[in-house]
Amino acid sequence: DIQMTQSPSSLSASVGDRVTITCRASQGIRNDLGWYQQKPGKAPKRLIYAASSLQSGVPSRFSGSGSGTEFTLTISSLQPEDFATYYCLQHNGYSPLTFGGGTKVEIK
Amino acid sequence: EVQLVESGGGLVQPGGSLRLSCAASGFTFSSYWMSWVRQAPGKGLEWVANIKQDGSDKNYVDSVKGRFTISRDNAKNSLYLQMNSLRAEDTAVYYCAREYSLAHWGQGTLVTVSS
Repeated sequence: DIQMTQSPSSLSASVGDRVTITCRASQGIRNDLGWYQQKPGKAPKRLIYAASSLQSGVPSRFSGSGSGTEFTLTISSLQPEDFATYYCLQHNGYSPLTFGGGTKVEIK
Repeated sequence: EVQLVESGGGLVQPGGSLRLSCAASGFTFSSYWMSWVRQAPGKGLEWVANIKQDGSDKNYVDSVKGRFTISRDNAKNSLYLQMNSLRAEDTAVYYCAREYSLAHWGQGTLVTVSS
């Protein structure tokens, strides 16, 4: 199975900060990766698909990059509504789908 | 608008069974892979199972193989998860999700396995 290592597990940041979250796959997954935002008590919401494509309706301050084994989610200017937990998901081929461990973004 | 509404969660004793349902609307259900994903209290996300458009291909995470069965009824726009031999570690919110890449999610239903 493909393991997804997400870092950091948590971070503290201020409104307006640039935030970067990383996921590393244990083997190459092309660009079969998505990024999700989850707020307490709510279902996850996909922000990015195919590693770098912005989901419709998602603000342009969110961006994704990477291919193969290294992937990054960037929030260019953190907003109050962005404080949440973020997960990456790999869905490569017929390997079981696997999530990263999550990154909790908290207010500094 | 894509809508996924899960139901069927509740409290069940260890060793018991439960059947979850997911009612889909706002899209052509029969055209998409569908999945179940779960989240234990205070923990991260775990994919559980998925099923191909016509039901001919089903996949499971190792921890539920032989105990859980995913199925679908395209005529009723519905997805199911039959859960048998439930364990305490199956306690979680269960979400259904559309597409192999989990593009859209329902609001979830809570399953609690406890005596």
